[in-house]
Amino acid sequence: EIVLTQSPATLSLSPGERATLSCRASQSVSIYLAWYQQKPGQAPRLLIFDASSRATGIPARFSGSGSGTDFTLTISSLEPEDFAVYYCQQRSKWPPAFGQGTRLEIK
Amino acid sequence: EVQLVESGGGLVQPGGSLRLSCAASGFTFTNYAMAWVRQAPGRGLEWVSAILGGVGSTYYLDSVKGRFTISRDNSKNTLFLQINSLRAEDTAVYYCAKAFGGGSFYDHWGQGILVTVSS
Repeated sequence: EIVLTQSPATLSLSPGERATLSCRASQSVSIYLAWYQQKPGQAPRLLIFDASSRATGIPARFSGSGSGTDFTLTISSLEPEDFAVYYCQQRSKWPPAFGQGTRLEIK
Repeated sequence: EVQLVESGGGLVQPGGSLRLSCAASGFTFTNYAMAWVRQAPGRGLEWVSAILGGVGSTYYLDSVKGRFTISRDNSKNTLFLQINSLRAEDTAVYYCAKAFGGGSFYDHWGQGILVTVSS
């Protein structure tokens, strides 16, 4: 079973700043990693798939990078609506596990 | 527009059973893998089970094998999760999710349905 570890657990930033979130896999997942955003009381929303491809309708300020075991989600300039919890997920091997999440909060 | 609407949740005693349903619309249901993902109160996302498109192979989280059964009725565009022998740790919001691209990333999600296991 592949374990995904996200860091930091909480990230405190201000609107307009750049956010960098990390996800590390316990073994290689190639590029088969996705990022989701979840706001309180809402279902998750797919942001990035296959490490760096933006899902439909996702703004260009969201970008993903990495391969193998180390991945990054970058939000180039934070908007007020970006403060949420972010999860990574792998689909390289069953079960398709999620990371524990990074909470992005307003500083 | 893709829509996924879960139903069937509620309060159940330990050892009890529930059948969750997810009514799908806005896409050719039979062509897509579907999954259930849960989220315990205040916790992260946990993938539970998936079923591939068509007749569909099934996959389960180890901790639910033998207790949960995923199925689909392609004629009614509906996904199911039969959950038996419920435990307190199964308490969660259960989301129905649609996969895309032939893999196990999920591009559409339902609003979630709460299952509470308590005496």
